[in-house]
Amino acid sequence: DTGVSQNPRHKITKRGQNVTFRCDPISEHNRLYWYRQTLGQGPEFLTYFQNEAQLEKSRLLSDRFSAERPKGSFSTLEIQRTEQGDSAMYLCASSLVEGLTEAFFGQGTRLTVV
Amino acid sequence: QQQVKQSPQSLIVQKGGISIINCAYENTAFDYFPWYQQFPGKGPALLIAIRPDVSEKKEGRFTISFNKSAKQFSLHIMDSQPGDSATYFCAARSPQNSTLTFGKGTMLLVSP
Repeated sequence: DTGVSQNPRHKITKRGQNVTFRCDPISEHNRLYWYRQTLGQGPEFLTYFQNEAQLEKSRLLSDRFSAERPKGSFSTLEIQRTEQGDSAMYLCASSLVEGLTEAFFGQGTRLTVV
Repeated sequence: QQQVKQSPQSLIVQKGGISIINCAYENTAFDYFPWYQQFPGKGPALLIAIRPDVSEKKEGRFTISFNKSAKQFSLHIMDSQPGDSATYFCAARSPQNSTLTFGKGTMLLVSP
């Protein structure tokens, strides 16, 4: 395990369909974050977990979005009834809670809604 | 309200030159300031980071200068190389939840 892994890398879906992305964090990291990045912008925070508990959600996370982290390991991000505005790169990051530790990002999942 | 402002939006530097990217923040509670490098189609990779009680940190060709009173920090890339061509993001971390607030990014092109 050398880093944060995200699958799929790319997803093209039709408007109105549901999509689910998966993130596998670095194994000893107990914090997991989801960010969204649109073209020409920096990543924006969506939500984060500490172990299996979802502790915070951004206002960006509409009710069509849901995230889970069962057993405090991998996480999934589901988008229901996708819209064209959901097209973006979805990034997952993980870190340790203790100490001044860095967040390590995965390669991201590029979502295109057509 | 953008909490971290980054400039310039794009930068062209000749090989061997110095690349300088600036960021300003508003929230004095931020406790950690990383810089990330991102290549097209890839996730951001941590480059270098600094705490607010330090005024400068150097790692190889990369230096962060931090001015706490002005609420500004900058990334200097010495002897810039074509392989440094990427988008650079500054960020600031919230101590309550360790979430990062990013700047909008600087697209750096180092010409051969």
